Amino acid sequence: KAGVTQTPRYLIKTRGQQVTLSCSPISGHRSVSWYQQTPGQGLQFLFEYFSETQRNKGNFPGRFSGRQFSNSRSEMNVSTLELGDSALYLCASRWDQSPNQPQHFGDGTRLSIL
Amino acid sequence: AQTVTQSQPEMSVQEAETVTLSCTYDTSENNYYLFWYKQPPSRQMILVIRQEAYKQQNATENRFSVNFQKAAKSFSLKISDSQLGDTAMYFCAFMGLSGGSNYKLTFGKGTLLTVNP
Repeated sequence: KAGVTQTPRYLIKTRGQQVTLSCSPISGHRSVSWYQQTPGQGLQFLFEYFSETQRNKGNFPGRFSGRQFSNSRSEMNVSTLELGDSALYLCASRWDQSPNQPQHFGDGTRLSIL
Repeated sequence: AQTVTQSQPEMSVQEAETVTLSCTYDTSENNYYLFWYKQPPSRQMILVIRQEAYKQQNATENRFSVNFQKAAKSFSLKISDSQLGDTAMYFCAFMGLSGGSNYKLTFGKGTLLTVNP
């Protein structure tokens, strides 16, 4: 069974631009969550999507948004990029929103802002 | 809001020895779930072990076991017979409602474990 696939693996952008990251969950998984990982702040929860609806949201500004498609694939968008947005963005999927369902992570997208 | 604290930023252990990684958390919830994840240099986060708060028995997965002390809000990870492949960043994580209606995963800052030959 294929794991969680994130594309692209690396991305370089400049301040003010916008970016879209993609995540394909494990087949059959309907919940997709996004996390931002930085050396200073660690892993921080961005949002979770289930059945094409955002079900949970972390404490990030509105520049961070996402969506989920009918095939459970998810995209995350960041507009008006800032230097502080440089991070590893991880996507995780699970079967449903049951709390005992562990999250399966992708390899992440390394975003660098110049 | 829940917080997860890993007090050991870095640890090292000799191959074949045993090491324990500490984790404490703060919550007012009674039903929640705890996880240990491992992130090797390849950066993919891998689930190591999980524990349901309503279970008194400590979870075990091969060489990995936990010491779950609910009253003390402590959830330590013990790695027996350490192997070079265990070298990674280890994250303790808490799954709770965080005052909302949906469960959210909160991570600690991580402990970098190095296994020396």
